Amino acid sequence: SQELEQSPQSLIVQEGKNLTINCTSSKTLYGLYWYKQKYGEGLIFLMMLQKGGEEKSHEKITAKLDEKKQQSSLHITASQPSHAGIYLCGAANYGGSQGNLIFGKGTKLSVKP
Amino acid sequence: DGGITQSPKYLFRKEGQNVTLSCEQNLNHDAMYWYRQDPGQGLRLIYYSQIVNDFQKGDIAEGYSVSREKKESFPLTVTSAQKNPTAFYLCASRAPWAGESYEQFFGPGTRLTVL
Repeated sequence: SQELEQSPQSLIVQEGKNLTINCTSSKTLYGLYWYKQKYGEGLIFLMMLQKGGEEKSHEKITAKLDEKKQQSSLHITASQPSHAGIYLCGAANYGGSQGNLIFGKGTKLSVKP
Repeated sequence: DGGITQSPKYLFRKEGQNVTLSCEQNLNHDAMYWYRQDPGQGLRLIYYSQIVNDFQKGDIAEGYSVSREKKESFPLTVTSAQKNPTAFYLCASRAPWAGESYEQFFGPGTRLTVL
């Protein structure tokens, strides 16, 4: 079965610093989804990547999918306290039933003002 | 506004009791999902339904039950058979297949605590 490993598990950065979160899959990714979660709340969709080498940006967040489609990174530029939360990557689970996503364990980001 | 609602936000249960978590969506989505989230863990799939009157077990279905009598509703019952039910429960839905996206939309979650 497919597994997603996220690194680091947690991250504390000073406001204004850049940071990167990684998501590595045990199998080829056919769709990689990044979500953000504030503690005790639901998940907010950030971006989806499908093609090898694809890169998408929204405001100060950039996500990339490598050419081999087994690793994705999420980069935040000039971090702000509003970026704090848990970032989860999810992938279409082609080993299971259609439409299901499997998720990494998440990366907890804290931004110190 | 379209979206997914879950109720209650907090739920306390005594050991041996069954409790039902509500999930409603007005997005006209066919597929709905229930996940469980524990501290430091990702989301684990409990049950999912791709169409009314049909549902399938996910990875950790033991001790849980669901129904899907209406498109808009997908309630989850946590039974007394679930040995460790204290967790954060998330409901999600997905639009009909229209290409390549499996994007799921999530509700705000229900935190269940067993006393």
